[in-house]
Amino acid sequence: KNQVEQSPQSLIILEGKNCTLQCNYTVSPFSNLRWYKQDTGRGPVSLTIMTFSENTKSNGRYTATLDADTKQSSLHITASQLSDSASYICVVSAGDNNDMRFGAGTRLTVKP
Amino acid sequence: NAGVTQTPKFRILKIGQSMTLQCTQDMNHNYMYWYRQDPGMGLKLIYYSVGAGITDKGEVPNGYNVSRSTTEDFPLRLELAAPSQTSVYFCASSHTVEGRDQPQHFGDGTRLSIL
Repeated sequence: KNQVEQSPQSLIILEGKNCTLQCNYTVSPFSNLRWYKQDTGRGPVSLTIMTFSENTKSNGRYTATLDADTKQSSLHITASQLSDSASYICVVSAGDNNDMRFGAGTRLTVKP
Repeated sequence: NAGVTQTPKFRILKIGQSMTLQCTQDMNHNYMYWYRQDPGMGLKLIYYSVGAGITDKGEVPNGYNVSRSTTEDFPLRLELAAPSQTSVYFCASSHTVEGRDQPQHFGDGTRLSIL
């Protein structure tokens, strides 16, 4: 059973709209939570990294939140653009960088 | 500004053939990783290295081998290709100062089909 579950599996929104992606995890112990963006045919690119003590972090139009008590994170995208079309991957680290658990990703499509 | 470079980008192998997936990084990162990404699944760690001369198994190492003779290069070897190894392979690297909170930098992947 995957220890990092993402929802929805896929999402279609209109350009300019906002959206929120969810990540629930059961990984323990918890070290940090990362969000990556993966364009089709490319490798993942880091958006944010949050540790236990951080409950929100922004990177431009991307804002990640973390609730370590409920083991939930969300990625909010504001004023979506066509270039936001990609898979968004949630990754939870149980300790060192060699012990990271990857979610299956949410496939976001932004339509004009 | 190369970052992590993987070659080849695509490859088709016959069952039982062998090949080496190349990975090189120019950021002087000490940590390097190999992952595989299957449809609908999260990335799975195959092998990783914390520095030249040191390698360790990840979650799915069977059927693969690695070496790390230099800081820059981390090749992945498939000795006897099997259909189950059809996947997209990603190499990544990271710098560890405090050890944990550094982002990984990924290459653009090698798409491998075993027929």
